[in-house]
Amino acid sequence: DARVTQTPRHKVTEMGQEVTMRCQPILGHNTVFWYRQTMMQGLELLAYFRNRAPLDDSGMPKDRFSAEMPDATLATLKIQPSEPRDSAVYFCASGPRGVSYNEQFFGPGTRLTVL
Amino acid sequence: AQSVTQPDIHITVSEGASLELRCNYSYGATPYLFWYVQSPGQGLQLLLKYFSGDTLVQGIKGFEAEFKRSQSSFNLRKPSVHWSDAAEYFCAVGAQFLAGTASKLTFGTGTRLQVTL
Repeated sequence: DARVTQTPRHKVTEMGQEVTMRCQPILGHNTVFWYRQTMMQGLELLAYFRNRAPLDDSGMPKDRFSAEMPDATLATLKIQPSEPRDSAVYFCASGPRGVSYNEQFFGPGTRLTVL
Repeated sequence: AQSVTQPDIHITVSEGASLELRCNYSYGATPYLFWYVQSPGQGLQLLLKYFSGDTLVQGIKGFEAEFKRSQSSFNLRKPSVHWSDAAEYFCAVGAQFLAGTASKLTFGTGTRLQVTL
């Protein structure tokens, strides 16, 4: 049963620390998305990769957030320095090759708390 | 730019009763429409999707949705709700970004479903 995996599942850190979240997309999928979910803003798209190349990161605060895909099996989202307002659940999703109406498959999320 | 409105933040139904969750979208072309469900502490799971053809779409867990272009709606329905259906439901509209890839999704704010026994 192919699934998107995310690590860590929970992270508590102090303001100013670097946070790295990792995602392993489903093997063979060529698109990866990072979302942030908060009570106030709902689900927001942060970044979008196709074939490891970033296509759209307009939803991401550039001064502190960065997203990369070092290889096809790993996507990372980093926050440096972290702030309390970054507390949220961060989801990774991957999408298969093919038509644009293919659905995205979501991972279980990383719950980040910044104190 | 596309947008999605889910007017009901919270809905409570009795087990066995019928359910309809509302979704209205705004998009200039023919949209790709999705319904996802999120159980507490979990990621999102796809219930169903629409991209063309028959406007009544069947999904998993007994859910269905009907695309109505004239009303810009894609409401989710279930004839008889089970207690295990209690969750948060998200409607999303997809826009083709690049051919051959999954589309960018814009999500609604979600509807939390509570089921009473």
